[in-house]
Formats: sequence, C-alpha cells, structure tokens
Amino acid sequence: KAGVTQTPRYLIKTRGQQVTLSCSPISGHRSVSWYQQTPGQGLQFLFEYFSETQRNKGNFPGRFSGRQFSNSRSEMNVSTLELGDSALYLCASSPYRGSSYNEQFFGPGTRLTVL
Amino acid sequence: QKEVEQDPGPLSVPEGAIVSLNCTYSNSAFQYFMWYRQYSRKGPELLMYTYSSGNKEDGRFTAQVDKSSKYISLFIRDSQPSDSATYLCAMSALTGNQFYFGTGTSLTVIP
Repeated sequence: KAGVTQTPRYLIKTRGQQVTLSCSPISGHRSVSWYQQTPGQGLQFLFEYFSETQRNKGNFPGRFSGRQFSNSRSEMNVSTLELGDSALYLCASSPYRGSSYNEQFFGPGTRLTVL
Repeated sequence: QKEVEQDPGPLSVPEGAIVSLNCTYSNSAFQYFMWYRQYSRKGPELLMYTYSSGNKEDGRFTAQVDKSSKYISLFIRDSQPSDSATYLCAMSALTGNQFYFGTGTSLTVIP
C-alpha cells in the first residue's frame, strides 16, 4: 500500500501571499488530520476532516483553512502568510473505526518558508 | 500550561546505553499513549502505543504508562546509532481522533 503523500515537499513564499498544500491519504483511509510542526511548539493540531466534513479544529486563526474531497484527498490553505507560519506542515491519515485506537500515519510533510 | 510536556533534550548517549524518555500530561481523559520516532526530513512514524496503564515491550523498546501520576516513559535498551532521531510522545482520548503531541526529545547515540 502506498503511504501518505504530500505535495509540494518544499515551498518558499513571501509575507502576505497565500499557499495551498495537498495531501493524499492511504487508500481506504477516510480521516485526514493536519499538523503544524515548529521547533518551539512541536506538533500542533490544525484540523481533522472525515468524509468531507471538518470534525475537529485546533486553536489556529481563520487564515488556516482546509477541505477534503470525495476521494479523501485533502488540501489546506493559509492566506495572508506571516513569518511565523514558517513550519513543517504534516498530514496524517487514519482509517478511523470509531471509539477505538486509530493509528495516524504521517506523510513526509511540506516545509513552508515565509520570507 | 500545555496538555503534554516533554523534555526537549538534546540527549546524547554512547552506543549500548539504556535511554529513558518521558512525558507528563494533565488531561485525565487520555487513554491511548503513543511514541513516535521522527528522522530528519521525514514524518513521524509510530513506534508503540499503549492503552490505559501498564507496560508494553517490543524488542529493545518498552513503553510504560502510569495514569495515577500522569506520566509515560519510553525505554530503549542497547541503543544503536540508528536510534538517533527525535522521539515524540502523543496521547488521545477514547473517543474522537485528535492527538496531542509533546514537543519531542532529540536523541543522538554515539558509536
């Protein structure tokens, strides 16, 4: 089975621009979660999508948004980029079987640098 | 106060040493406890997960959970240079799919 793929792997943007990141989950997985990873804060949860619906949302400003398509692929968008948005953005897919342990499988991440 | 606290290190040990990595947490609703390993320029990969309290062993790795103290540990025996990575603890409640991560501990095993 192919793993989680994320594109692009690296991005350089300037302040004020917007960016869209893409994630393709493992085949059959319907839950996709997004995380921001920075050296000081570690992995911080952005949001989770399941069956095209946002199910959970972390404590990030509205500039961060996402969506999920019918094939479970997901995109996240960051508008009006700030220097502090520079981070590794990780996508994780999960089969989600309800109230039991649901392993999250991570992609390699997209490294975003905001200049 | 963050929900999960983890000493960032860095931790440097000689090959063959026993390594102890720890996390504390504040949310008593956490029931699943995970340890991830992350190599440079890669995404985290799951090492082990434990449900509720107790110990779990997998080869050179042992995970311990003490829910009464809200404290979890990962022990690595006979550490190898290939174990050099960042180790992340993560936790989640029984329901829902939201994981809470520690900031990670950077480990270097010196040959």
